Amino acid sequence: DGGITQSPKYLFRKEGQNVTLSCEQNLNHDAMYWYRQDPGQGLRLIYYSQIVNDFQKGDIAEGYSVSREKKESFPLTVTSAQKNPTAFYLCASSIESGEAQHFGDGTRLSIL
Amino acid sequence: SQQGEEDPQALSIQEGENATMNCSYKTSINNLQWYRQNSGRGLVHLILIRSNEREKHSGRLRVTLDTSKKSSSLLITASRAADTASYFCATDEPHAGNMLTFGGGTRLMVKP
Repeated sequence: DGGITQSPKYLFRKEGQNVTLSCEQNLNHDAMYWYRQDPGQGLRLIYYSQIVNDFQKGDIAEGYSVSREKKESFPLTVTSAQKNPTAFYLCASSIESGEAQHFGDGTRLSIL
Repeated sequence: SQQGEEDPQALSIQEGENATMNCSYKTSINNLQWYRQNSGRGLVHLILIRSNEREKHSGRLRVTLDTSKKSSSLLITASRAADTASYFCATDEPHAGNMLTFGGGTRLMVKP
């Protein structure tokens, strides 16, 4: 079955630590996205990539970094510069920008 | 930035009743999409309606789009307890690189 896999499901970050969230898709989609969702809120775009080896900042990129070395993979690093990282992180992909997005089941990040 | 705004923010109905959720947006769009999110899970795409379409159906779902009023509605007929979820509209904005902008969502509770 095609889909998007996010791991881990739960992640804890210590003060000053960088953590990396994994996102893998086998849908052969060109576009991939990272969103942040705070409790009771909608989604805010962190980074997106429309093609391999290219990515763009979204609305709230500060304190985050990404890479897109393979079509299937779009990992997100939450750096120590992100002072309020506690949130639910969602990865998505689509055939191309603006079309229907397929989502993973998210990673919940908390601070220790 | 938040383009789509859902109304109401929360809705509670009895099983078998119809549920109507509305979405308003501010700028021109290529398409408008509706998604469902069960608690603690990723979003699931429901329907995409393009700017030149006025109505679309999928099973018990009916979506309308009025570009003159910059609004859309999602109707769920004969609701079931399993429809309990948050529902989000998302707009594809041509001036924003075809990125989706999500609203804050409507939290629907269907009581058995």
